[in-house]
Amino acid sequence: DADVTQTPRNRITKTGKRIMLECSQTKGHDRMYWYRQDPGLGLRLIYYSFDVKDINKGEISDGYSVSRQAQAKFSLSLESAIPNQTALYFCATRYGWGSYNEQFFGPGTRLTVL
Amino acid sequence: TQLLEQSPQFLSIQEGENLTVYCNSSSVFSSLQWYRQEPGEGPVLLVTVVTGGEVKKLKRLTFQFGDARKDSSLHITAAQPGDTGLYLCAGVSLGNEKLTFGTGTRLTIIP
Repeated sequence: DADVTQTPRNRITKTGKRIMLECSQTKGHDRMYWYRQDPGLGLRLIYYSFDVKDINKGEISDGYSVSRQAQAKFSLSLESAIPNQTALYFCATRYGWGSYNEQFFGPGTRLTVL
Repeated sequence: TQLLEQSPQFLSIQEGENLTVYCNSSSVFSSLQWYRQEPGEGPVLLVTVVTGGEVKKLKRLTFQFGDARKDSSLHITAAQPGDTGLYLCAGVSLGNEKLTFGTGTRLTIIP
């Protein structure tokens, strides 16, 4: 079984709809991250969490919110989806101590907003 | 905002040829990572370089961190179709939990 899983893998929705993307991990890591990937832009950080009580904004948090329900679960919500949020979304995890910040990524969710 | 520019953005070469991908920034990083991403999957870490001037080899892949820790390169010798993918560099700033990703190089190796 994969260490970092994301659901759904693909989603098509309409402008204005609320969407939740979910991420679960079995690695026991305390750090979790949400990124979006757009062609030619690499990965950009949306939100990150050091533990259940610690949530931080990344460089492109506007229009998104997150919830860390447990150490193993980190959800990303789009409260009112818009077409320019069409992208590939990745969740990642990292062990917080004594590492060189190696992050382990899920398989991604392809989101299309019409 | 720190930027990491990768070049070239796209590269398509014949099997057996050599290639180099570059990752450049005006910022200093405490370490730099290279990831490879295949279609339908998330990025997977290949290597982390930490010391200025450091060279690491992973089979036919050679990674180098610039002396000033602002840039890095990835050289592939005798490229194979299995090397096809999106290569991403990512910098870690001192005291910063976050990775800054490069713009990516999409590599295609033609059999």
